[in-house]
Formats: sequence, structure tokens, C-alpha cells
Amino acid sequence: DAMVIQNPRYQVTQFGKPVTLSCSQTLNHNVMYWYQQKSSQAPKLLFHYYDKDFNNEADTPDNFQSRRPNTSFCFLDIRSPGLGDAAMYLCATSRVGGINEQYFGPGTRLTVT
Amino acid sequence: SQQGEEDPQALSIQEGENATMNCSYKTSINNLQWYRQNSGRGLVHLILIRSNEREKHSGRLRVTLDTSKKSSSLLITASRAADTASYFCATADTGGFKTIFGAGTRLFVKA
Repeated sequence: DAMVIQNPRYQVTQFGKPVTLSCSQTLNHNVMYWYQQKSSQAPKLLFHYYDKDFNNEADTPDNFQSRRPNTSFCFLDIRSPGLGDAAMYLCATSRVGGINEQYFGPGTRLTVT
Repeated sequence: SQQGEEDPQALSIQEGENATMNCSYKTSINNLQWYRQNSGRGLVHLILIRSNEREKHSGRLRVTLDTSKKSSSLLITASRAADTASYFCATADTGGFKTIFGAGTRLFVKA
């Protein structure tokens, strides 16, 4: 019954060691988003895909990359995690952009040691 | 700066009381949405109000939108302990893709 699935739920990585977070959806939505949320803060949009069209936010660091091999899956790659990248990473989907509600996964809590 | 600013930042009430949260934004919007987030979890969509609507209801939720003041409010009536969560407003720009979340209101409902 799960609609947006994120794996793993908790990820620990070492400073500078590349890490990949994954998201999958069963909703067949066109748009997939990645947000970063630090403690007690609002989710901050990193980038989104509209089908295969990738849209990066202007202030998203180059350290963050994303891949969407098909409609169902989307990955967030952090090439060289720093201590400041420790956060909750949320994946969301929507049918067509922000005019529709977004469905969120449970998030992946990333710890950088 | 963020599109949506919310107040209060935190709200503590007794079960059965009403809770009101406010959101202000800065630019033209297509719609405004409210989400709930339980601690350490993803966000759950509560309600969407379009820019040409003034008020919307869903169960115990009532949302108002005043585009002239660029503000919205979320009212939760007859609150329950299970309503304890953070509540975020989110605005979608007229292009429709970029959704910006406010800082959120942390609601604590005491049983």
C-alpha cells in the first residue's frame, strides 16, 4: 500500500564518502522532488524532475546530484558529504507540479561522522 | 528569504481547544497548501486552497486565504492529542513547480 518509499530510513556515512539515497513511487506521478530538511526547519527544495527533465535549484550545492532512470525511481547522490549535510532527506511526488498536492516518503535521516 | 512565514512558531493547547496558525507569503501564488509532519517523518498533505478561493473546509480543518494581504490561516477545531505535530504552509508559484515551505508551527496538544 506504500506510495512513496525511501531507502534506507537511516544512513550513516563518513565525511567525504559518497552516499546514495533512493526513492521509489507506485503512483506513476510525473514529478519527483528531493528536499533537504534540517532540524526544526522547513523542507528546502534541492531539485525536481518533470519526467526526464531535471531542474536544479540555483542554490543547491554541486555536491548534490540526482538520477531518474525511470518513472518509478529517483536517486540522490551526495558526492562528498560534509558535516553540514547531515539532515533528513525527503522525496516527494506530484502529478503535475505544484498545482497538485505532493506525496512524501518517510524520509532518510543522514548522519555524517 | 522564505516565501512562507508562519506564526506562531510554537503553540501549546489543551485537548478540545481550537488551534489557529497563520502563514504569510510574498509573491503571487497559484495555490497554498498546508501539510502536517509528525516528528521524524515525512509530510502529509492536509488541504489545498486555490488563489481564487477564500475559504475551504475539510473535517476539523478550516483554511482561509486572503490574497490582498498575502496571508492564510489554518484552524483546527476540537483538537486532539494526535494533532500534535508541525504544520507547514507551502506556496506554489504561478509556474507551478517550485513549492516553498514556511518555517512551520509546532503544535502540542495536551491530553
